[in-house]
Order: sequence, then C-alpha cells, then structure tokens
Amino acid sequence: QVHLVESGGGVVQPGRSLRLSCAASGFTLSSHNMHWVRQAPGKGLDWVAVIFYDGSGKFYGDSVKGRFTISRDSSENMLYLHMSSLRPDDTALYHCAREDGSPGGFDVWGQGTMVTVSS
Amino acid sequence: QAGLTQPPSVSKDLRQTATLTCTGNSNNVGDEGAAWLQQHQGHPPKLLSYRNNNRPSGISERFSASRSGNTASLTITGLQPEDEADYYCSAWDSSLNAWVFGGGTKLTVL
Repeated sequence: QVHLVESGGGVVQPGRSLRLSCAASGFTLSSHNMHWVRQAPGKGLDWVAVIFYDGSGKFYGDSVKGRFTISRDSSENMLYLHMSSLRPDDTALYHCAREDGSPGGFDVWGQGTMVTVSS
Repeated sequence: QAGLTQPPSVSKDLRQTATLTCTGNSNNVGDEGAAWLQQHQGHPPKLLSYRNNNRPSGISERFSASRSGNTASLTITGLQPEDEADYYCSAWDSSLNAWVFGGGTKLTVL
C-alpha cells in the first residue's frame, strides 16, 4: 500500500529553523515529482515546493523562496523540507504529496505535521 | 503568486447537479489543464481528477471535469450528503514555475 507519513513539526520561535521529514512506502519516491503543501488553520491549500522526479529542478512558492529548501534521500525513500527564518504566517499543517503525471495531480497525501511559529 | 479563482460557496439540493468553476489564465489552466481535489473537514485532500478529466481509480463517475479556455469546471451529478466538502482546483503555472491553487469552494448539499 502507498503511504506518506510526515514528522518533525512542533512549536518554534520566529526566526528559528525546523526540518520536516516525509517517509514514503509502497512506491519509489524518486519516480515521482514530490511536493510540500501547507494549510493554515481554517484556510485553503498553499503550495510550498516541488522536487522533480529526475532531480532536474526544485521550485518554491513565493512566500517561502529563499527560506525553505526541499530535498530527498532516494536511498532512504525520504523527502525533507528544511525551513529557516520562520515567521508566524508559516504556521500551518504541512503535507507531503505525490504527483501522478507531470504535470498531473496530487494523488497521495500524508496526514500532515503541524508547525506553529510563535514566541 | 496569483492563485486560481473559485466561488467561495455553492449550495445545491440532494440528488441535483453541481458545477464548480475555476478560472486561471493561459499559463496554467489554459495550458496543461487543472486538477480537482476534495477535502472533508479534518482529512487530507483527495484527488478527483487531473489534466481536466482523468479520474484516478476508485473515483465515482458522478465526478467529471472539463475545461473551456482558461476556465476549468467540476460537475458532480446526483449529489449525495457525503459530497458536502471543500473543493480545490490546482494547476501548474508554466510562467511562474509553480503550482497554484484556487481558494476553494465549500459545497453544501441541502
């Protein structure tokens, strides 16, 4: 069965850093474009970043560009999101998601890990 | 990044048909088409269709998607109580090199 499980969320002070992890099972992560998508409490979906399946590119949403870095460890089948210079408006539930097709749609989602940025 | 435009809410009667819209531009919806997601409260989104009307396995035929120019549509026939949810459209924007989402439409089944 195909699964994504996120971890690493928590409460962090503004300006600090945090690394989120996403463990993939049931498929090979490096065969798909992989994404991070976040959702602030009571708000809509906000795309954060993508890493292409062949490693040819990484792209970011405007609000996180220069602060967040997406990466993967193919040997461990893990996806990561390193977040720095965190701001209160980064507070959200962070999901990793698999893209089917390129471009296609986000066909597998994790349950998410909550990040709260607060002093 | 400019997102896609969706109506905030739509209400329809049980067993009726709802059509949700999503407007973008020639660099996103008008280019590669849109994908649609359904999200129930407290759950991650579920993919309903992608590239306009490709349905993942297990998705009911009551859900169908289409596109006309820069506007994508999701039509849900025979509305059921479980269709009450938030619906999001999404698309790859080739000029921004970014995915963009709509703000979501809350569908109420009366």
